[in-house]
This record gives sequence, C-alpha cells and structure tokens, in this order.
Amino acid sequence: HVQLEESGPGLVKPSGTLSLTCTVSNDSISSRNWWSWVRQSPGKGLEWIGEVHHTGSTSENPSLKSRVIISIDKSKNQFSLKLNSMTAADTAIYYCARGGGGSAPFDYWGQGTLVTVSS
Amino acid sequence: DIQMTQSPSSLSASVGDRVTITCRPSQSIRTFLNWYQQKPGKAPKLLIYRASSLQSGVPSRFSGSGSGTDFTLTISSLQPEDFAIYYCQQSYSTPPTFGQGTKVDIK
Repeated sequence: HVQLEESGPGLVKPSGTLSLTCTVSNDSISSRNWWSWVRQSPGKGLEWIGEVHHTGSTSENPSLKSRVIISIDKSKNQFSLKLNSMTAADTAIYYCARGGGGSAPFDYWGQGTLVTVSS
Repeated sequence: DIQMTQSPSSLSASVGDRVTITCRPSQSIRTFLNWYQQKPGKAPKLLIYRASSLQSGVPSRFSGSGSGTDFTLTISSLQPEDFAIYYCQQSYSTPPTFGQGTKVDIK
C-alpha cells in the first residue's frame, strides 16, 4: 500500500525556515494525485498548508501563502515544503498526505514529524 | 474559508453503543465531506469520503450521511478500538478545512 514519510529537522529557530521532505513509496508522484502538507497544533487543530501536482502546479492556504513554497522532485518520488519566517505559532506536527486538488480526500498520510520553533 | 463545526466536542460511550457525530459547514458543500479517525500519536485515517462512501478496509459499522450543511457520522456498535478523535473535513473549496474534532472516550 502507499506509504509516505516526512523527513527534516525537528527544531527551527525563530525567523528561520522550515524545510521538510516527503518520500512516497508504492505510488508514483507523477500519478494524477495531488500531494499535500497538513499541520496540527493544539491551538489551531488540523490546518491544510498547501499542495502540489506532478505538473508543478501548486496551491497554498491563503493564511500562509506568503511564507510557503511547495515543490516536487519526480526523480526522487518526493515533494517538499519550505515555510519561512517561523514563529512559535508554527510549532506543530507536520504531515504529508496524498490528496487535495480541490475535491479529493486525504487518503494516505505520513506518520507526522514534530517541529518546534525555539531558540 | 468554510468553517466546520462539529458536535459534540466530546462524548462518553460504552462498547456496543450507537454513536452519532454531527458536522455543520458554514455554507453548502454539497457532498464534499470526509470523515477521519485519529488515535493518539498517529496520523488521521480516512473513514468516509464524499459524505457516505466507506473507504476501503474500514469496518461497515461506520457510516456517513448528509448533504449541504448537515452531515452525520454514525458508529452502529462502538468497539474498543473506536475510542479516538473524529474529524470532518470539507473538500468543496480551497482551502480544505477541518472541524475541531469530537473525542469519543469510554464511559
């Protein structure tokens, strides 16, 4: 079955940039699916960050759009998230997931990675 | 953004009970409504998509119904492994948004 795994640092300094990668197994990232990032914090619950398609098309949550870059690397079957100007409010568990694209549910998720913003 | 309101926020139930959770979006989303189950330390798991379609591998005691602005997740006979937090999510418009969750615990 499809597997996703997040990787990246668990600690980011205030004003720094978060960089996470999601590696997809048992599905081609070049399939018709969209690939998303979702985060979860006690204060804001589950929040969709944005998504990418293998064509390179992306969509971001307007609340984060100015700080987010999502990209795809088809050669590695991976997609990535960069979130800049991090603050304590960005401390959360970050998940990658398959789905989105305006109508599709999130049917496969990574295990999640805790990112803490602290000096 | 479409706001998703779940009720109740939490409930206590016994094994074998029938459990119903409601989700109300702030505007009509036709049937673009999904339900997830989340257990401690785990990612959300898709249970129901498009309001009433059971995701592959999910037990048939889970069912969903509704359209527009009123949706329901029902667990027909609660099992020990069903104690978890349940979330609804709309996939009608961008950004997709989630409800605040309903915690189901043991009475």
